Amino acid sequence: QVQLVQSGAEVKKPGASVKVSCKASGYTFGYDMHWVRQAPGQGLEWMGRINPNSGDTNYAQRFQGRVTMTRDTSISTTYMELSRLRSDDTAVYYCARDGCSNNRCYTNFDYWGQGTLVTVSS
Amino acid sequence: DIQLTQSPSFLSASVGDRVTITCRASQGISSYLAWYQQKPGKAPKLLIYGASILQSVVPSRFSGSGSGTEFTLTISSLQPEDFATYYCQQLNSYPYTFGQGTKLEIK
Repeated sequence: QVQLVQSGAEVKKPGASVKVSCKASGYTFGYDMHWVRQAPGQGLEWMGRINPNSGDTNYAQRFQGRVTMTRDTSISTTYMELSRLRSDDTAVYYCARDGCSNNRCYTNFDYWGQGTLVTVSS
Repeated sequence: DIQLTQSPSFLSASVGDRVTITCRASQGISSYLAWYQQKPGKAPKLLIYGASILQSVVPSRFSGSGSGTEFTLTISSLQPEDFATYYCQQLNSYPYTFGQGTKLEIK
């Protein structure tokens, strides 16, 4: 069965960086992976996506220059690194698989990781 | 960026009720809309994509409709496990924005 398993919770100081991993299993590692975050008590915010085959990325403008998404195909893992952390980056970060693998279907986030809490505090 | 506005933001209903949540897009997004259910402390769960396609294993009491700028999620007969927060998401163009959410509570 499809599973996305994320790395554990992190506590970081302002100005530091954090790198969250998302290990995929149960399917061919070729579907786009998206990253979504959710601040405490708030809604969902899309951060960007990576194509595991090509490494192509698209980032939300508000994270441009601070976020980097990478992958290691040998271990079916994608990574999201966020730099220059601020207190308002405190959130649960999710990876989510794009269930549409071609341009004949509708994009959808069909499987999600369990979430990784990143706390930014001095 | 495409803005999504959900209404209502809060909804109080009883088991067995029929409820409808609306999602309006700031510009046309064809049928590139998905709905998710989220319970406290859990990841969102996909319910509907392509505006009206029911995700596998999702109960048939959930349905979606609409295209362009106006969309609805309907739950035909609320069950106890349906009390949660619901989000719409547009997947027409980057950034893939979400609505602000609708919290469905037990009356």
